[in-house]
Amino acid sequence: SAVISQKPSRDICQRGTSLTIQCQVDSQVTMMFWYRQQPGQSLTLIATANQGSEATYESGFVIDKFPISRPNLTFSTLTVSNMSPEDSSIYLCSVEKGEGEQYFGPGTRLTVT
Amino acid sequence: EDKVVQSPLSLVVHEGDTVTLNCSYEVTNFRSLLWYKQEKKAPTFLFMLTSSGIEKKSGRLSSILDKKELFSILNITATQTGDSAVYLCAVGRNYQLIWGAGTKLIIKP
Repeated sequence: SAVISQKPSRDICQRGTSLTIQCQVDSQVTMMFWYRQQPGQSLTLIATANQGSEATYESGFVIDKFPISRPNLTFSTLTVSNMSPEDSSIYLCSVEKGEGEQYFGPGTRLTVT
Repeated sequence: EDKVVQSPLSLVVHEGDTVTLNCSYEVTNFRSLLWYKQEKKAPTFLFMLTSSGIEKKSGRLSSILDKKELFSILNITATQTGDSAVYLCAVGRNYQLIWGAGTKLIIKP
């Protein structure tokens, strides 16, 4: 498994501002994933972040809105830019270990007012 | 289009009951099927299944995969109030997971 920490655990932000979420893993991993989970919904993959290359974004998500950094094999950040109330969600990072299972960080609960 | 369908969407039972949660899928390049438990924010990994007919078991929880009929079940026996959660099924395709909508399980004392 993996021990993953995320910061902040929650935040309340004003519309138009940006928030950067940090994800730290206790071991080196090749692939890190960023998800969004809106209230009452399942998980939606935002992007996959590999160290040393540009993140790969899923349909409906763009780099200008959700820039991602992956400076090394244990750390990644996701920024939610120019926020609107529709961005209110739980944001989760995960890593792949073993034979394909993903382990999740504790999540960041974001409320945009 | 790849899809993962879970049923029922919600379930209320009494403590001590046995429950069976279902997950069916249509996913190209199937790699694995995973079950997670989500209580607050982060999903917690339960099982990963790759082969048909081989039961995975952990305490009161067990799961099995049928790759011919494209489904999996998650069984919880002697349920406890601490089992109340959303149970998520996900299917691995290449390096991604395709997620179901989840089953919300409520255990009444």
